[in-house]
Amino acid sequence: GESVGLHLPTLSVQEGDNSIINCAYSNSASDYFIWYKQESGKGPQFIIDIRSNMDKRQGQRVTVLLNKTVKHLSLQIAATQPGDSAVYFCAERSGNNRKLIWGLGTSLAVNP
Amino acid sequence: EAGVTQSPTHLIKTRGQQATLRCSPISGHTSVYWYQQALGLGLQFLLWYDEGEERNRGNFPPRFSGRQFPNYSSELNVNALELEDSALYLCASSPRDRGTYGYTFGSGTRLTVV
Repeated sequence: GESVGLHLPTLSVQEGDNSIINCAYSNSASDYFIWYKQESGKGPQFIIDIRSNMDKRQGQRVTVLLNKTVKHLSLQIAATQPGDSAVYFCAERSGNNRKLIWGLGTSLAVNP
Repeated sequence: EAGVTQSPTHLIKTRGQQATLRCSPISGHTSVYWYQQALGLGLQFLLWYDEGEERNRGNFPPRFSGRQFPNYSSELNVNALELEDSALYLCASSPRDRGTYGYTFGSGTRLTVV
């Protein structure tokens, strides 16, 4: 399944499928991007990050792609599991002021 | 290792009252960040403290204030509460030299203003 992030805040996928969550960021000067996962009743949890001098980074079952030309970030989750059900946020940082700017989030629902 | 702890978990206040929220960072972390997560608005940056000093502030009115203690724990104070202050308030901490890279969030304080 595929989401357009801010424009389609809910993504529903079947267990075992791959998920793609998209995010359009705002500032072409942003140099660092992070994906967080937030489960109900919990704080955001770090998933994966990428710096602006990279266009792809892989973690365990997750891959982040960065397209600076169109200011687009995506999170790919392989073999989506019920435990992946959560709200996913992208965040960008520009400058060294430690402040992250967050997207509104995409809710991922995994159907067994 | 204990994570970032926030208290109380839930807080109900009346409009016009003051609320105090507390945060204990991970041991060894000197920076504390506060965020507001209101329904439908994502996370909004409130404050960043490091070594007891306020380092950066988001676009919030002065009635949102805080402080960081010598043990690096922090308080967020919200005066003259308004209904729209109802939100989840999240605290995060990081080591000083890791900045944004090392953010770890607590589970938040749910503030309800009635």
